[in-house]
Amino acid sequence: GNSVTQMEGPVTLSEEAFLTINCTYTATGYPSLFWYVQYPGEGLQLLLKATKADDKGSNKGFEATYRKETTSFHLEKGSVQVSDSAVYFCALSLYNFNKFYFGSGTKLNVKP
Amino acid sequence: DVKVTQSSRYLVKRTGEKVFLECVQDMDHENMFWYRQDPGLGLRLIYFSYDVKMKEKGDIPEGYSVSREKKERFSLILESASTNQTSMYLCASKSGGQGNQPQHFGDGTRLSIL
Repeated sequence: GNSVTQMEGPVTLSEEAFLTINCTYTATGYPSLFWYVQYPGEGLQLLLKATKADDKGSNKGFEATYRKETTSFHLEKGSVQVSDSAVYFCALSLYNFNKFYFGSGTKLNVKP
Repeated sequence: DVKVTQSSRYLVKRTGEKVFLECVQDMDHENMFWYRQDPGLGLRLIYFSYDVKMKEKGDIPEGYSVSREKKERFSLILESASTNQTSMYLCASKSGGQGNQPQHFGDGTRLSIL
């Protein structure tokens, strides 16, 4: 079947620390991969995406590389800020399908 | 930018009431979705629609129905609200049938059933 597994949270970091949130997937075809961010009290916002193997998605200092060989799409940021505190969701979607498969979300807390 | 608007940010209803949650998108997207989000359970798909008057059940459709009479509007209906339907409800829309297009989300409706 199709599924997404994210690392358990919460993740607590100090400002300017390096961030990695792990995401691995299982898919029956060739998926597109997404990271979404949810700030408190809001809906999900698209952060970045990658649609084929070895693609790198990037936005607002966040990056993730689509690794087909390890079925992974880990989210990274070199220097986090307090304003990055949020819940991050990894998701996949298959070509010709509209349904998304979401991970359970990883809460990030950044301390000043 | 795509805008998905949910009619209420917060809603309080009573057990047994019929509850309507409304969602409107402004990008002429074919596909629209309703999710509920609960702590520890992530996002769960209730229903989705790929065209006007068309709908498909998601993972947890029991106790819910939907209506899509116009392309831009997708309504979620709780036929007889129960306390276990207290949750955050998220609407999303997406263009086309290709999986490489993202879903775009509204800000959510936090529904409390008393």
